[in-house]
Amino acid sequence: DSGVTQTPKHLITATGQRVTLRCSPRSGDLSVYWYQQSLDQGLQFLIQYYNGEERAKGNILERFSAQQFPDLHSELNLSSLELGDSALYFCASSGGLAVYNEQFFGPGTRLTVL
Amino acid sequence: AQSVTQLGSHVSVSEGALVLLRCNYSSSVPPYLFWYVQYPNQGLQLLLKYTTGATLVKGINGFEAEFKKSETSFHLTKPSAHMSDAAEYFCAVSDGVGGSSGDKLTFGTGTRLAVRP
Repeated sequence: DSGVTQTPKHLITATGQRVTLRCSPRSGDLSVYWYQQSLDQGLQFLIQYYNGEERAKGNILERFSAQQFPDLHSELNLSSLELGDSALYFCASSGGLAVYNEQFFGPGTRLTVL
Repeated sequence: AQSVTQLGSHVSVSEGALVLLRCNYSSSVPPYLFWYVQYPNQGLQLLLKYTTGATLVKGINGFEAEFKKSETSFHLTKPSAHMSDAAEYFCAVSDGVGGSSGDKLTFGTGTRLAVRP
């Protein structure tokens, strides 16, 4: 158990809908990262937050947005869903901003868009 | 931009045999390199990491990796495979230099390791 929790574990929805994925980092970790794992594109970085502020952005679609709240939990919002958004979404957390800090991964949310 | 190439999407070894999973990286700055393992229906778990210093890095579960700058490689090895090692393995490089550039990971495409009895 990494200490990172993600809810829900599974999500099935229809095209055009909007969903919210939730992540609680390990106790004390200030950085939260979101990654998408799909068969087409592998594991891709989406976005990073540090202590409530956006720190780095990857190839995140404009239909996707995220935020980190004062209690440090984070939410990833996916809207106008398409079939291609079906993937495993991971949240990870780390203690700081150093590049060598270990990122601890949650179990993921599996999103299926029908 | 940094990138990682993992040669061999599937590797099969016999129990007790040497495990060798290949990883080559491209980086314009000194890299920080990582190997993660993913068991079915689970998240990623860190096996080992290279930051600075000793180029031979030992990790959990008997795995080790050697950073070879001249070859831009960071291959993962284990002397004797165990059935429980069957999983998917990802090599990753840290992007940026931390601070305001963030410290995202760039992953390879993964290698699925099968262990035959």
